[in-house]
Amino acid sequence: GAGVSQSPRYKVAKRGQDVALRCDPISGHVSLFWYQQALGQGPEFLTYFQNEAQLDKSGLPSDRFFAERPEGSVSTLKIQRTQQEDSAVYLCASSLGLTMGRDVQYFGPGTRLTVL
Amino acid sequence: AQTVTQSQPEMSVQEAETVTLSCTYDTSESDYYLFWYKQPPSRQMILVIRQEAYKQQNATENRFSVNFQKAAKSFSLKISDSQLGDAAMYFCAYRSGGGSEKLVFGKGTKLTVNP
Repeated sequence: GAGVSQSPRYKVAKRGQDVALRCDPISGHVSLFWYQQALGQGPEFLTYFQNEAQLDKSGLPSDRFFAERPEGSVSTLKIQRTQQEDSAVYLCASSLGLTMGRDVQYFGPGTRLTVL
Repeated sequence: AQTVTQSQPEMSVQEAETVTLSCTYDTSESDYYLFWYKQPPSRQMILVIRQEAYKQQNATENRFSVNFQKAAKSFSLKISDSQLGDAAMYFCAYRSGGGSEKLVFGKGTKLTVNP
């Protein structure tokens, strides 16, 4: 596609429910990133993949958060037993990789998660 | 760990005037990259400008330019001839030159452009 797409755009979950957020990166992009953006704050890194390999998951706040990219393209961020503090916009970004000048991250529109 | 600080939560500028947004960062690394991203209301974040730390020359993209002061760990964004479409949240971000590709963002500056 022309850009990074995310679905759903909005998700309302009851506390304790599991949710799955999907990211479709730009075709051919090697690296894929997940960020969490709380209201009025800058994005905070969660995890990233190079192809199907998860190279850094240091930002995942708890073991309730899990991300995968099994075929090196589409990625899913799963949050189990959601809690109110998980309410945020979840941003996905992709890039061509670390080759000089190709490291620019292109962002999707985000999924706004509200946990009641 | 690296940190990025944007000390101006909000700024305003008159259309056609110039405005400068501030950003400082803390790092012990010598190799890194700095970015300014723009996030318009309800729209996707897009790159404004990118700077390699090893380059002394300040990056420029049309009306957008940076003042990169490596010793002071400062990376400000200047917007010239401000337009209504420049109104947005602006985020400064840092990426390490080695290891993880992740971006570390500041908290952002909300820019208002007055007609």
